Amino acid sequence: GAVVSQHPSWVICKSGTSVKIECRSLDFQATTMFWYRQFPKQSLMLMATSNEGSKATYEQGVEKDKFLINHASLTLSTLTVTSAHPEDSSFYICSAYDVGKNQPQHFGDGTRLSIL
Amino acid sequence: GQQLNQSPQSMFIQEGEDVSMNCTSSSIFNTWLWYKQDPGEGPVLLIALYKAGELTSNGRLTAQFGITRKDSFLNISASIPSDVGIYFCAGQRNTGNQFYFGTGTSLTVIP
Repeated sequence: GAVVSQHPSWVICKSGTSVKIECRSLDFQATTMFWYRQFPKQSLMLMATSNEGSKATYEQGVEKDKFLINHASLTLSTLTVTSAHPEDSSFYICSAYDVGKNQPQHFGDGTRLSIL
Repeated sequence: GQQLNQSPQSMFIQEGEDVSMNCTSSSIFNTWLWYKQDPGEGPVLLIALYKAGELTSNGRLTAQFGITRKDSFLNISASIPSDVGIYFCAGQRNTGNQFYFGTGTSLTVIP
């Protein structure tokens, strides 16, 4: 089946650091990738929709200058948390979706971000 | 972002019992998905539903797409310990659009 790889799986860094998370579709071309955020014991909250070659679409309340998304190729999207602070600590999950095949989105294994 | 309401929020059942959970929304969705998430991992797709009224099975799991397109349910028959986890529904309005997740149902199976 389709595989989505997310890297790194766990990041611990100091407040003020910028952190980049990568999401790769390994065996299919992902025209669309989604970025979610999940706090402990809560549901996944959609942050933004990333379309290859165009600007990401952010959900209401998500700061686009804080969470920079780049989708430069059909197999890679990156999320950069700029100047991260402790309140940005969360579980970030990406998913990839091939619009042309209308198949369900496939998720990466997530990145646990801890800001000290 | 929009959320879908799932119930129950949590369940504690004996091994071998059947489980039923549902997901409702005030909006119409054209695709419903059910996922299972283990701690520290991403969600894994269980069942995908594409047509109103559709009933689909995957082993011991059965899910249905509500006729109103505003709800869906998931049944698990003869539960086993490895069914433990959090189950999420997700809805999509149109192809290529965003998916929105339900609030989750935490399942505990007592051996």
